[in-house]
Amino acid sequence: GDSVTQMEGPVTLSEEAFLTINCTYTATGYPSLFWYVQYPGEGLQLLLKATKADDKGSNKGFEATYRKETTSFHLEKGSVQVSDSAVYFCALIPRGNNNDMRFGAGTRLTVKP
Amino acid sequence: EPEVTQTPSHQVTQMGQEVILRCVPISNHLYFYWYRQILGQKVEFLVSFYNNEISEKSEIFDDQFSVERPDGSNFTLKIRSTKLEDSAMYFCASRLAGVLTDTQYFGPGTRLTVL
Repeated sequence: GDSVTQMEGPVTLSEEAFLTINCTYTATGYPSLFWYVQYPGEGLQLLLKATKADDKGSNKGFEATYRKETTSFHLEKGSVQVSDSAVYFCALIPRGNNNDMRFGAGTRLTVKP
Repeated sequence: EPEVTQTPSHQVTQMGQEVILRCVPISNHLYFYWYRQILGQKVEFLVSFYNNEISEKSEIFDDQFSVERPDGSNFTLKIRSTKLEDSAMYFCASRLAGVLTDTQYFGPGTRLTVL
């Protein structure tokens, strides 16, 4: 079935470093793709999304581009802050099925001052 | 900004007891979901609910689980006889109707601890 695979963590960066968290997907059609963030002790918050090929989702300095040719949706940020420390989840919803959101395993990011 | 709320934030129960987890979805949303996240593992889909009935459920959602929308605002998940392996964070989510509105909005979660 449709699924996502994310790079394993944890990832530790210094403040202002460049961030990439890889996410690839397997799907029979063209799913909608999402990044959610989970700050310590909190729930899942939608960070950004893209619903079709070549769409770029962006929010709070984070970006991800829906790449059909590489079936990827990598999360990037040019300059991370300590406050970005969280767990990041890549997820998809299969096309034609708006119910079952499939999540990756999550990548824990720690940003050090 | 409207948000999904969940109560309680943390529930501790004895094995074999029944628990009810409560959620208040965003008011104009029509699809409702429960997910769970066992500590250190990925978030897993349990069930979706629309028009007062289950529209989809996963293998995890066995006969011990049930969902209900008892009134116009609450959406509940009941576990009839809890097991140790039910210990997890349970997330409720909701979304608008329509094929172009697939974003699910999540609540803060209820941490269930089964002793």
